[in-house]
Amino acid sequence: AAGVIQSPRHLIKEKRETATLKCYPIPRHDTVYWYQQGPGQDPQFLISFYEKMQSDKGSIPDRFSAQQFSDYHSELNMSSLELGDSALYFCASSLLTSGGDYNEQFFGPGTRLTVL
Amino acid sequence: DAKTTQPPSMDCAEGRAANLPCNHSTISGNEYVYWYRQIHSQGPQYIIHGLKNNETNEMASLIITEDRKSSTLILPHATLRDTAVYYCIVGYGNKLVFGAGTILRVKS
Repeated sequence: AAGVIQSPRHLIKEKRETATLKCYPIPRHDTVYWYQQGPGQDPQFLISFYEKMQSDKGSIPDRFSAQQFSDYHSELNMSSLELGDSALYFCASSLLTSGGDYNEQFFGPGTRLTVL
Repeated sequence: DAKTTQPPSMDCAEGRAANLPCNHSTISGNEYVYWYRQIHSQGPQYIIHGLKNNETNEMASLIITEDRKSSTLILPHATLRDTAVYYCIVGYGNKLVFGAGTILRVKS
């Protein structure tokens, strides 16, 4: 079965550079989520999109932005990178139930970002 | 979103049942209980969810108390591959709020 695809899998950047992470959800899934997991920490929700519109926002820095495109893939853009941005970034996708009250999220393998 | 409390770590012998508890005393009526696990830096994996009734699937069983203030995830026959961090999450709809999960170590 098709899974969530994330690219690149590994990324090394210098401080103050920019980075773009890409996420390709499972076909026919309508919702994409981004999570950040720092070293030794638990995943933290950043932002989500439902049908290409932002649906929820967590602790995402103002230096970060994201969008979902017409083909449902999503990109997380990160500018003015800081050392503390080094983390695993997970994308997840889901198909909301008709009632929208619960959903099973399928996670990608993650992108490991290292900021030097 | 309601807060959950889980033991930081548990050990289980291979082939035995692993019972992972979770307290969620502030859960509201429309919030679901989800369980996910994360195997060493891989993406979290959905295990099971429930609202009021006990649930079972091919991976695990979920037992929710009648007052919904706690639940137990049961892996009936734990294997070494079940060693992971297990997260109990309570919520409704959209995002998942991960707390400090339980590190389950399955030992041979």
